[in-house]
Amino acid sequence: AQRVTQPEKLLSVFKGAPVELKCNYSYSGSPELFWYVQYSRQRLQLLLRHISRESIKGFTADLNKGETSFHLKKPFAQEEDSAMYYCALGTGGFKTIFGAGTRLFVKA
Amino acid sequence: DAMVIQNPRYQVTQFGKPVTLSCSQTLNHNVMYWYQQKSSQAPKLLFHYYDKDFNNEADTPDNFQSRRPNTSFCFLDIRSPGLGDAAMYLCATSLSGTRADTQYFGPGTRLTVL
Repeated sequence: AQRVTQPEKLLSVFKGAPVELKCNYSYSGSPELFWYVQYSRQRLQLLLRHISRESIKGFTADLNKGETSFHLKKPFAQEEDSAMYYCALGTGGFKTIFGAGTRLFVKA
Repeated sequence: DAMVIQNPRYQVTQFGKPVTLSCSQTLNHNVMYWYQQKSSQAPKLLFHYYDKDFNNEADTPDNFQSRRPNTSFCFLDIRSPGLGDAAMYLCATSLSGTRADTQYFGPGTRLTVL
């Protein structure tokens, strides 16, 4: 079955602390993985794609096929990182499967 | 700025009263999607259009229909809304719909069913 699991509904860290948002997927083919973010009162938007292998706003995510994971990491969290984060899996047939999301709260 | 627009942002309807949600895009993308998102849940794909070709997800209720009269506009029609249809409805677009394609989202329409 094709599935995306984000085990944490809420993650709270202090400003300056490292943050890791977990994402595990289930997919039989070669996965295309994304992180989308939704800031307060804004629309859902792309944060990064694994295919681009880039760092956006200090965030990185590495695809680990052995562990079927695509965790999102940032070494030093900022208050403006507080948002809802969704991991997503691009499958065939125009379908993207989203995880249920993790709300990140960065405390001052 | 090129973008995805949804109207209205908030829609209140009565149980059983048909309602239409609207989405437009200035990105000139080939694919338009409709998602339903309930509280604390993942966005769930209802259907998509690739150009004029419509594809319904297998588990999308018959109560939900869609129209795409041209490249720019796409509508979600709920023929007889039930209380369980109260949700945020998200419209999204992508250029080609491939697995690696980025999706661009509208702000959503929050539907309340009384």
